[in-house]
Amino acid sequence: QKEVEQDPGPLSVPEGAIVSLNCTYSNSAFQYFMWYRQYSRKGPELLMYTYSSGNKEDGRFTAQVDKSSKYISLFIRDSQPSDSATYLCAMSGGTSYGKLTFGQGTILTVHP
Amino acid sequence: NAGVTQTPKFQVLKTGQSMTLQCAQDMNHNSMYWYRQDPGMGLRLIYYSASEGTTDKGEVPNGYNVSRLNKREFSLRLESAAPSQTSVYFCASSDPGRGLETQYFGPGTRLLVL
Repeated sequence: QKEVEQDPGPLSVPEGAIVSLNCTYSNSAFQYFMWYRQYSRKGPELLMYTYSSGNKEDGRFTAQVDKSSKYISLFIRDSQPSDSATYLCAMSGGTSYGKLTFGQGTILTVHP
Repeated sequence: NAGVTQTPKFQVLKTGQSMTLQCAQDMNHNSMYWYRQDPGMGLRLIYYSASEGTTDKGEVPNGYNVSRLNKREFSLRLESAAPSQTSVYFCASSDPGRGLETQYFGPGTRLLVL
């Protein structure tokens, strides 16, 4: 079983939809949770960063962490075609501090 | 300020050939990383360097070697390439001022081993 599980999709939604992306994990030592966005043939770029449990909002993006359930989510409101990309969750903490463990990535397409 | 740069962008090798992937960062980061990305597998850590002069194995180090040449540069070497090493390779660096968890990635090197 992988330490971090992410539904690879692909996920296709119409413009304006609310998108929910999720990851589950098994390592209870993880404390730092990130979402990276990767456009086709590009390197990943950091989108959201959350420490421990709770919510964080940045414009149309909201990241949620539920450590009791070992579950994290990324919500995208009013999705745009420019949001079409692969979204990767990543985590670190405990003995893996300084090293990230990534999910498999979810391919998202927002069509006009 | 170029961030993280990688060379080459694309390479085709024959089985058994060797090559070195180059990575450089101009953000004065202490830590640098090499990942490979395969379909359905996400990013997997090959090697990392927490600081200049140190290197450690990651999740999938077999078949690779690394050199932290100085604070800016971190190279990945394939001594005898195998088809299983066909992948996209990403280099990353991290900024101690924002936390080691925030990593900045290069554009990647696409490697095809025939």
